[in-house]
Amino acid sequence: EVQLEESGGSLVQPGRSLRLSCAASGFSFQDYAMHWVRQSPGKGLEWVSGISWDSVSIDYADSVRGRFTISRDNAKNSLYLQMSGLRAEDMGLYYCAKDIGLTMIRGVITYAMDVWGQGTTVTVS
Amino acid sequence: EIVLTQSPGTLSLSPGERATLSCRTSQNVIGNSLAWYQQKPGQAPRLLIYAVSSRATGIPDRFSGSGSGTDFTLTINRLEPEDFSVYFCQQYGMFGQGTKVEIQ
Repeated sequence: EVQLEESGGSLVQPGRSLRLSCAASGFSFQDYAMHWVRQSPGKGLEWVSGISWDSVSIDYADSVRGRFTISRDNAKNSLYLQMSGLRAEDMGLYYCAKDIGLTMIRGVITYAMDVWGQGTTVTVS
Repeated sequence: EIVLTQSPGTLSLSPGERATLSCRTSQNVIGNSLAWYQQKPGQAPRLLIYAVSSRATGIPDRFSGSGSGTDFTLTINRLEPEDFSVYFCQQYGMFGQGTKVEIQ
C-alpha cells in the first residue's frame, strides 16, 4: 500500500524552528518528486515547497522562501521540511504529497500530487 | 504571481444532476499543468484530474476536465452522494480558493 506519514508537528513559539518529516512506503520513493502543502483551519490549500527526485530542482512558495528548506533522503525514503523564523501565519496542517510524475522523465516536478499523507499540525503561539 | 479564481463559491445541486465548476487563471497555462482535487472534511485532498483532462487512477469517468489558456472546467456528471464536497483547482504551485458542491 502506498503511504505517506508525516511527523514533527508541534506547538512552537514565534521565531523558533521546527523540522517536519515524512516517511514514504509502498512505492519507489527515489523516482518521484515530492511536495509539502499546508492548510490553515477552515481555509484552502497552500502549496509550500517541492523537490525533484535528485534534489536538483527545488521550489518554494514566496511566503516561505528564505525561511523554509525542503530536503530528502532517498536511502531512508524520507522527505523533510526545515522551518525557521516561524510566524503565526505558518500555522496549519502540513501535508506531505507525492508528485504524479511523468512517464518518460524520472522524478520531475509536475505539481500534480496523487498521494497524500494525513498531515501533521504546526501551531505557532 | 499566478492567481486562480474558482466559481461559483458554492454550487447547490441534487444527486443525479451535473456539476460544472470553473477555474480561471491569471496566466495562460503553459504545457498542461492544471489539476483538480476533491477534499472531504477531515481528509486529505484527493487528486481527480491532472494535465487538464487526465483522470487520476481510480477516478470514476463521471469526472472530466477540460479547458485551455486561462479557462478550465471540472464537470461531474450524474452527481453521486459522495461527490458533495469541496473542489480545488491547481496550477503549478497555486491553488484556487475552492468550490463547495452541496446538496440542494
